[in-house]
Amino acid sequence: GAGVSQSPRYKVAKRGQDVALRCDPISGHVSLFWYQQALGQGPEFLTYFQNEAQLDKSGLPSDRFFAERPEGSVSTLKIQRTQQEDSAVYLCASRPYRSLTDNEQFFGPGTRLTVL
Amino acid sequence: DAKTTQPPSMDCAEGRAANLPCNHSTISGNEYVYWYRQIHSQGPQYIIHGLKNNETNEMASLIITEDRKSSTLILPHATLRDTAVYYCIVISGTASKLTFGTGTRLQVTL
Repeated sequence: GAGVSQSPRYKVAKRGQDVALRCDPISGHVSLFWYQQALGQGPEFLTYFQNEAQLDKSGLPSDRFFAERPEGSVSTLKIQRTQQEDSAVYLCASRPYRSLTDNEQFFGPGTRLTVL
Repeated sequence: DAKTTQPPSMDCAEGRAANLPCNHSTISGNEYVYWYRQIHSQGPQYIIHGLKNNETNEMASLIITEDRKSSTLILPHATLRDTAVYYCIVISGTASKLTFGTGTRLQVTL
């Protein structure tokens, strides 16, 4: 079956531009996560949705970062006025349901953002 | 969530078992041990998880010490396609976000 898809796969932006990154989770998955991965580092949590509700946005680095999931399926991560330090791979993951014993998350291939 | 410590890199010959260690000495009773891996230019992939008993699935085995302060991920017959960064993550049952750390880079060689 189809996995998590992300678009675009690569994005080059000039400093100061706004960008929008899209995530299509696995159909029916309740939870959706965004992570940021800098070069040579492990992924770092940005934000988490359960259906359309954003339950945790503690990892968003600044108010330039905004995420939404209005209908509880597709999600968009928006970065306003991009800076060079925003250059990273942005990973999206989805999870089918909320379980205390199973936290398997399914990751997409990521969007590599380069800010010049 | 408890902090984990992993060696930065390991090598393994193809066909041999790869044993990847992880220390999590501050793990608490309701925290699970999860393993994910990330092959170059791909998103992380779930491998296995456990609470206190040893676990096995089609990909790997997870051995957790009796005091739960450390664990070992075992790939029984490593192949070149197992070359990846392996992350050991400790997370409580009520938490959602994964904290990855820097992981162990496993290089499988001919």
